[in-house]
Amino acid sequence: SQTIHQWPATLVQPVGSPLSLECTVEGTSNPNLYWYRQAAGRGLQLLFYSVGIGQISSEVPQNLSASRPQDRQFILSSKKLLLSDSGFYLCASTTGGNLDTQYFGPGTRLTVL
Amino acid sequence: DQQVKQNSPSLSVQEGRISILNCDYTNSMFDYFLWYKKYPAEGPTFLISISSIKDKNEDGRFTVFLNKSAKHLSLHIVPSQPGDSAVYFCAAKGDAGNMLTFGGGTRLMVKP
Repeated sequence: SQTIHQWPATLVQPVGSPLSLECTVEGTSNPNLYWYRQAAGRGLQLLFYSVGIGQISSEVPQNLSASRPQDRQFILSSKKLLLSDSGFYLCASTTGGNLDTQYFGPGTRLTVL
Repeated sequence: DQQVKQNSPSLSVQEGRISILNCDYTNSMFDYFLWYKKYPAEGPTFLISISSIKDKNEDGRFTVFLNKSAKHLSLHIVPSQPGDSAVYFCAAKGDAGNMLTFGGGTRLMVKP
């Protein structure tokens, strides 16, 4: 079965600083990968998804970007963080014979001050 | 435009009783529905799913019911346990590839 790793687990960054969150997947190949954000008291908002290396689709215009340099690696970045970027960031993966069910990583809590 | 809605932000149930969490959707193209459970500071955990060709799916204490004509699904937990206390999200998949649309979540509190 697949395992999704995310790091760091928590991060406190000043406004205007850069961001890099990493997600890696074990136990599978050619996964579809997703980045979500959960703002305080809100549901899950899809930010980006990727069906393969170098293939990124953005769902929400913002100052965030995503990259997929390797098959099982998905990176979320920002050049300059905003206060509104604070939230809980989740990486998810679908793979194998069931592309309908997404499995989530442990998440990264980002606080922008 | 919220295509998936969970109208109850919270639900409190006594241990041993049934918990019923509800979810409504508007997009008739959705063909697969899922329920996730989420504890604070953790990623959501997949619980149970149902295809639009079915109206019920059961897994242990968890049962999901789908009413396509009403565009409504529900998750039943019987019997409820204190460890079930968490936020529950429903999600739907449809015509936009493999992307899921999530509801806003319902916080379930099971009292001992």
